[in-house]
Amino acid sequence: DGGITQSPKYLFRKEGQNVTLSCEQNLNHDAMYWYRQDPGQGLRLIYYSQIVNDFQKGDIAEGYSVSREKKESFPLTVTSAQKNPTAFYLCASSITGGAGNEQFFGPGTRLTVL
Amino acid sequence: AQKVTQAQTEISVVEKEDVTLDCVYETRDTTYYLFWYKQPPSGELVFLIRRNSFDEQNEISGRYSWNFQKSTSSFNFTITASQVVDSAVYFCALSEGRSGGYNKLIFGAGTRLAVHP
Repeated sequence: DGGITQSPKYLFRKEGQNVTLSCEQNLNHDAMYWYRQDPGQGLRLIYYSQIVNDFQKGDIAEGYSVSREKKESFPLTVTSAQKNPTAFYLCASSITGGAGNEQFFGPGTRLTVL
Repeated sequence: AQKVTQAQTEISVVEKEDVTLDCVYETRDTTYYLFWYKQPPSGELVFLIRRNSFDEQNEISGRYSWNFQKSTSSFNFTITASQVVDSAVYFCALSEGRSGGYNKLIFGAGTRLAVHP
């Protein structure tokens, strides 16, 4: 089945550690996105990529990094510089990065810093 | 500046009641897109509908209907004869259609709907 997979579902991190969240899609979409969701809030954009080997910062990129070496993969690294990383992270993709295209979402990764 | 406001934080209804979720948006663009997504307890966002700014026709899909009014900058969502399976957080989102812009979704804070048997 076509879709977006994220792993792991739950992730625990000690303070000071970097962790990488995986996002893979087999929809042949050009654009991919990472969002952060905090309790009682909407989603906020961390990074987005409109095409392979290109990515741009979203609204809350500080303390995060990404890569886009393959069309189907867009991993997110939460670095130790991220002050408050505990949150629910959602990956999404759309057929292109053009405005108005529906974004398809993965099941999310819940990150907890111990 | 672009903004999406969902003033209802939580709504609780009994099964079979009708319920309307409000969404008010702000944008300076004349071309834009509005979305509704459902987030069940599992966490994954499920796409429900997309509307562009040039199409103000209301839409009905089964028990779901949407009312888009540019005059009041609103895009409200009604569930008729609610069911327990409708319990979820519902998000309204806005995407502006600037030339060369990317597909940035601006989300409201969401409305948590609880449908009780």
